[in-house]
Amino acid sequence: EAQVTQNPRYLITVTGKKLTVTCSQNMNHEYMSWYRQDPGLGLRQIYYSMNVEVTDKGDVPEGYKVSRKEKRNFPLILESPSPNQTSLYFCASRRQGVVDTQYFGPGTRLTVL
Amino acid sequence: GEDVEQSLFLSVREGDSSVINCTYTDSSSTYLYWYKQEPGAGLQLLTYIFSNMDMKQDQRLTVLLNKKDKHLSLRIADTQTGDSAIYFCAMVPGNTGKLIFGQGTTLQVKP
Repeated sequence: EAQVTQNPRYLITVTGKKLTVTCSQNMNHEYMSWYRQDPGLGLRQIYYSMNVEVTDKGDVPEGYKVSRKEKRNFPLILESPSPNQTSLYFCASRRQGVVDTQYFGPGTRLTVL
Repeated sequence: GEDVEQSLFLSVREGDSSVINCTYTDSSSTYLYWYKQEPGAGLQLLTYIFSNMDMKQDQRLTVLLNKKDKHLSLRIADTQTGDSAIYFCAMVPGNTGKLIFGQGTTLQVKP
């Protein structure tokens, strides 16, 4: 089954404690991205990657890092989380150049105290 | 940059039609999309329309595109309680490959 998986689905942490949210896709997609969803703001792109070892900033990259060492994985790293990073995070993937086949993961709800 | 606007909330009665509206500023997107997010779930592509079309119908869904007014709408006929969700319009300005989303419209369907 084609899917994008994220872990963990829920996470409560404290300010400053480094965390990683994993994302994996089984469709051999080149393009992967991370979004955060906040009430009244829709989805905003944090980072994206067009292929292995190619990453770039989205609209709201501050406070986040990503890496793309393998095609299937695109982890999101918060080196020093702050309360304003409390949000719902989605990973997505698609084939490069084919926007209509974007697949979203189930989401990770992060609370930073 | 691209700006995509939606109203935040719509309430309808079961069996009525729902119309969710979206306005945008950049008209260079080749495709315009509607995504559905059910409670506790990720986003699912519902339908899309090619920019050179005015209308697309897919069972209970009708998408209308008014390029002159930069207005996109999604009509759901015979709305059911299972249609309760957040609906996002989205588009890809220029050749960026980046999806830009509206704020999302929460559709509440009352029995």
